[in-house]
Amino acid sequence: TQLLEQSPQFLSIQEGENLTVYCNSSSVFSSLQWYRQEPGEGPVLLVTVVTGGEVKKLKRLTFQFGDARKDSSLHITAAQPGDTGLYLCAGDPQGAQKLVFGQGTRLTINP
Amino acid sequence: SQTIHQWPATLVQPVGSPLSLECTVEGTSNPNLYWYRQAAGRGLQLLFYSVGIGQISSEVPQNLSASRPQDRQFILSSKKLLLSDSGFYLCAWSPGGGREAFFGQGTRLTVV
Repeated sequence: TQLLEQSPQFLSIQEGENLTVYCNSSSVFSSLQWYRQEPGEGPVLLVTVVTGGEVKKLKRLTFQFGDARKDSSLHITAAQPGDTGLYLCAGDPQGAQKLVFGQGTRLTINP
Repeated sequence: SQTIHQWPATLVQPVGSPLSLECTVEGTSNPNLYWYRQAAGRGLQLLFYSVGIGQISSEVPQNLSASRPQDRQFILSSKKLLLSDSGFYLCAWSPGGGREAFFGQGTRLTVV
């Protein structure tokens, strides 16, 4: 069973549009992270959210941690072709020292 | 600064042959260490993680094993590879506590 459910798994939109990617679980996490991965490389950390309800912004990207610390979202405003890639959410379940990942969202931004 | 090295980058092995992938971390002590496998364009499946020397937790029953002989060394092994072991293997480390992982460049394993 997948501890973190990520949706959508594939998303293709036009440049300039907005989008939101979701990461959901029935479990509580001490923190959730978002990573971006390019083909043939390891994922690179974008952000970590720790506090329930926390919102972090990274240029045109907005990350939110759910109040109950079970879910997170990534919102991109005015998407650009350079945003194309695989976005992964990950989290450390409360009480555990492991890090589990969602299935990923393959994002394509068309010029 | 901390760095992580994983090798080899690519590997083609026949079915039934052994496997040894090595990962080392520099610039930190007592890290959490992880091995993941990734199917093409998909998420990461946690295979093993370790919170200290000789401490290995297995997430998925399979044909693989892991060892941590030194604080900053993590090894993924198999005695006899299967076709289904093909994939992209990633090693990662995180500070104690399990968050904010930093990844190696990965090993593309093809079992033929």
